[in-house]
Amino acid sequence: GEQVEQLPSILRVQERSSASINCTYENSASNYFPWYKQEPGENPKLIIDIRSNMERKQIQGLIVLLDKKAKRFSLHITDTQPADSAMYFCAASHSGGSNYKLTFGKGTLLTVTP
Amino acid sequence: EAAVTQSPRNKVAVTGGKVTLSCNQTNNHNNMYWYRQDTGHGLRLIHYSYGAGSTEKGDIPDGYKASRPSQENFSLILELATPSQTSVYFCASGDRGHSYEQYFGPGTRLTVL
Repeated sequence: GEQVEQLPSILRVQERSSASINCTYENSASNYFPWYKQEPGENPKLIIDIRSNMERKQIQGLIVLLDKKAKRFSLHITDTQPADSAMYFCAASHSGGSNYKLTFGKGTLLTVTP
Repeated sequence: EAAVTQSPRNKVAVTGGKVTLSCNQTNNHNNMYWYRQDTGHGLRLIHYSYGAGSTEKGDIPDGYKASRPSQENFSLILELATPSQTSVYFCASGDRGHSYEQYFGPGTRLTVL
């Protein structure tokens, strides 16, 4: 199986600063690491992902870093805005043929204050 | 845009009653998933399916059954509902190919009294 630990569980930052969320996983065979954003009362939505053949990926103000040796990956949100306030989930997936499923971290509640 | 719908959106059930949560996807995805979300636990996988006729146990399958009668539909069944199953349930679909993205439905809020 897989276990994913996510920290911190609560994160509060000021507008225009950076926010960082860290996750660790156990299964060295995991090869896909997505990040989902969930706004209150909504469903989770994919915001960025990274595969094991990459160490860094950036989409606009979102940066994901992957350290396979340490089994650690992280999400960095630069120049945060109040609209970034939400619950964020990391996940890890071990895929092989049809056999893939996501194991999620417990989530980080991010609040960006004006 | 991926389309996953769930019904009902809200459900109140009594302890010991049978509850069926339904999910429909129009993405023609092979894989479908049922999760529950509870504060402090994130999203936990209950059952999943690789295609019509298949169901697999996820990480927390006890007390739940699943049914995948067609490519489009995936149901979660609580034969004897208990208050501990009060939660928000999300269905998701995903492709088997290069994209591992899972598309989530809007969720069903289930309260078992």
